[in-house]
Amino acid sequence: GAGVSQSPRYKVAKRGQDVALRCDPISGHVSLFWYQQALGQGPEFLTYFQNEAQLDKSGLPSDRFFAERPEGSVSTLKIQRTQQEDSAVYLCASSALGTGATYEQYFGPGTRLTVT
Amino acid sequence: TQLLEQSPQFLSIQEGENLTVYCNSSSVFSSLQWYRQEPGEGPVLLVTVVTGGEVKKLKRLTFQFGDARKDSSLHITAAQPGDTGLYLCAGDNNNNDMRFGAGTRLTVKP
Repeated sequence: GAGVSQSPRYKVAKRGQDVALRCDPISGHVSLFWYQQALGQGPEFLTYFQNEAQLDKSGLPSDRFFAERPEGSVSTLKIQRTQQEDSAVYLCASSALGTGATYEQYFGPGTRLTVT
Repeated sequence: TQLLEQSPQFLSIQEGENLTVYCNSSSVFSSLQWYRQEPGEGPVLLVTVVTGGEVKKLKRLTFQFGDARKDSSLHITAAQPGDTGLYLCAGDNNNNDMRFGAGTRLTVKP
């Protein structure tokens, strides 16, 4: 399909395990965003890439969270030593434009992470 | 911490009724977006408003951006069950992040 895809759709991890969440943005989209959406809340910004450069990681909640986009397309969000408070839906979005413009973000379906 | 306050948090109405949901902030935004999110899916953009006082219509949905660009409203006329979902507003303050509200969860009963 032509949309943003994320995998896995569901992930159950035991506390202390490492997880890796993948995002395939729309082909050619410059910008890529990761958000965390807790139950009953709106998405909260985690980090932003323009091509392969991570321009903003101010939303990452701790140094256990790490994101990369090495070739400017697929991105991976890694969470080390998962904690129960990490349980949430992790959304990825991509946009055709860079910053400084009003852009439309296209969201993937999200990965629901449950830490037990 | 979410800068945008949305109200009401939950709304349940009958098919055919009208409704308005609100998005308020103390911050000024260069633009504001409204999204609808269904269970198990990511948010889908409905509209972007940019100019203070701007009104945009999308079929039965009317969006308004406040004059001071701090608040917005979404009005739905003759709601239908297909309108059921989580309505999110998001503000762009020219940083890299869109700031989302917690959303209004709308249920339209047939």
